[in-house]
Amino acid sequence: DVKVTQSSRYLVKRTGEKVFLECVQDMDHENMFWYRQDPGLGLRLIYFSYDVKMKEKGDIPEGYSVSREKKERFSLILESASTNQTSMYLCASSPRGRGSDSPLHFGNGTRLTVT
Amino acid sequence: AQSVTQLDSHVSVSEGTPVLLRCNYSSSYSPSLFWYVQHPNKGLQLLLKYTSAATLVKGINGFEAEFKKSETSFHLTKPSAHMSDAAEYFCVVRTYSSASKIIFGSGTRLSIRP
Repeated sequence: DVKVTQSSRYLVKRTGEKVFLECVQDMDHENMFWYRQDPGLGLRLIYFSYDVKMKEKGDIPEGYSVSREKKERFSLILESASTNQTSMYLCASSPRGRGSDSPLHFGNGTRLTVT
Repeated sequence: AQSVTQLDSHVSVSEGTPVLLRCNYSSSYSPSLFWYVQHPNKGLQLLLKYTSAATLVKGINGFEAEFKKSETSFHLTKPSAHMSDAAEYFCVVRTYSSASKIIFGSGTRLSIRP
């Protein structure tokens, strides 16, 4: 079974702090994703990576950056956390393929609160 | 253009009765369709997927879905609801247009009455 592990289940950070959210997958998947999930807004794609050091902006990249130095690890960085970044963050992975029929495999999520 | 519409934001059924969660999609390409379940404060778990093989797809926990191209629907069903089925369910469409273009429905919250 694919395992996607997000390093923290709950995080509380202060406004202005730099925040790192870590995600590791164990199935050698090329594609990795970061989403945020908010009530009434559904899942929105922040960033997508299709290979090591390769990334694409999603629908809401502002205020975020990402790092993919190793195939199994995809980090989401909040350069200067703000209260409107309080959310549930979900990492996912899938094998390579242009719009392949492979499903996304999700981690358990990180609930981030910025105060 | 792709889109997915979950027709009900909330469905409530009694334990032991059938479940029907409705999903309609729109896609310019042959789509792959998925249903996911999300329990509170958890990630999304794959229930089942349709990828142009059999139109009736069986998934985990007794769920199944039928792909109907003429109706552009992919409704999720279960013959007999269990209390543990209470969760949020998402219909998802993915096509060959882009590896990152994955469209999530807005979700249907399923409640189970004892």
